Amino acid sequence: GAVVSQHPSRVICKSGTSVKIECRSLDFQATTMFWYRQFPKKSLMLMATSNEGSKATYEQGVEKDKFLINHASLTLSTLTVTSAHPEDSSFYICSASGLAGRDQETQYFGPGTRLLVL
Amino acid sequence: QQQVKQSPQSLIVQKGGISIINCAYENTAFDYFPWYQQFPGKGPALLIAIRPDVSEKKEGRFTISFNKSAKQFSLHIMDSQPGDSATYFCAATFSGGYQKVTFGTGTKLQVIP
Repeated sequence: GAVVSQHPSRVICKSGTSVKIECRSLDFQATTMFWYRQFPKKSLMLMATSNEGSKATYEQGVEKDKFLINHASLTLSTLTVTSAHPEDSSFYICSASGLAGRDQETQYFGPGTRLLVL
Repeated sequence: QQQVKQSPQSLIVQKGGISIINCAYENTAFDYFPWYQQFPGKGPALLIAIRPDVSEKKEGRFTISFNKSAKQFSLHIMDSQPGDSATYFCAATFSGGYQKVTFGTGTKLQVIP
């Protein structure tokens, strides 16, 4: 149990376009989802926390108008990178938290989405 | 006060040896300490976790040792295997799973045959 999926796994886009990344909890209801960004050989940097049906809480320094987060249901959260630029190229990872899995008080991570902006 | 310091940055261990990764935290309010394993191009996967009311937790070849007074905890991988080669992150958070996780900087482990 406690499986989180992300789609797409890789995406290449042109500068100026918008890209949507989906995060789904497959076998449990995720009341809270988190979005992270990871640079090569670096740790995970939390971008925002989203609760189902409410606005996301963004970390300091993260542009909320650039990284739009929607958590419309208990199994789906989306991250839209608007007007993407090469500096937005990164590995984006979501995690989900809910009552599931062998440890009911932890976050379960998706496989990540590699974004490359040309 | 939210930092979690992790060492070493990289580690090379021979097959069958013991891999040890250390972490230290500052915020005494943290009450849940998970370890994650991440392979290249993949998301982190929960490996093992501990709460500060116990000093040790073992699951298979993986053991967490926890020293509450020193605000330190460590991961021991016994009988290390080449398949254990990955990046390991310690983390600290608050109970409930709905709180944001503070990650360590990561340790890249390479187990050589």
